[in-house]
Amino acid sequence: DTGVSQDPRHKITKRGQNVTFRCDPISEHNRLYWYRQTLGQGPEFLTYFQNEAQLEKSRLLSDRFSAERPKGSFSTLEIQRTEQGDSAMYLCASSPAKGGTDTEAFFGQGTRLTVV
Amino acid sequence: KQEVTQIPAALSVPEGENLVLNCSFTDSAIYNLQWFRQDPGKGLTSLLLIQSSQREQTSGRLNASLDKSSGRSTLYIAASQPGDSATYLCAVRPGANSKLTFGKGITLSVRP
Repeated sequence: DTGVSQDPRHKITKRGQNVTFRCDPISEHNRLYWYRQTLGQGPEFLTYFQNEAQLEKSRLLSDRFSAERPKGSFSTLEIQRTEQGDSAMYLCASSPAKGGTDTEAFFGQGTRLTVV
Repeated sequence: KQEVTQIPAALSVPEGENLVLNCSFTDSAIYNLQWFRQDPGKGLTSLLLIQSSQREQTSGRLNASLDKSSGRSTLYIAASQPGDSATYLCAVRPGANSKLTFGKGITLSVRP
């Protein structure tokens, strides 16, 4: 296993279009997180899954955003009707929850979204 | 609400210098703290993880310390190299099942 994989690495879209990003976590990591990072800022939490259950969503996750993790494997993050303010790096991370507690978080290379 | 601060925002040092990067957090009730490295346009690479019960962790030229009671962590880099140039981010996990809260990072430049 080579780590957390995200696809695509870069996405340029026109305002108003829908986009979908994919994250493949490290195998057997049952916790998966999405974060968003804008220039000069640290990553901000969006949502997280334990297996297929979405356990927490940030207030940053407006109704235009939706995330899924079918069967507790890969996850997708969809943004509908994109706005210029959605331009950011979208980061995925996974953790091996052992005994109900998180350990180290491993991040993917991110998807850079540019809305024009 | 947990807040994580990293000051200064940027740092430039000559090659070979030992340096310390600081991180402070407002709520000392953390579960663990993690230091990351981020190269421009890339994702985050985990450097060190310190559990709340630990005082420090070491990996190669890196040493991270944690003082929960004062809400501080430091990342010590020995004998810095130009390849160490990157942004270093500190993040805390407030509880066992919660997300990471990040600082804004310190952008380090090591001059040859």
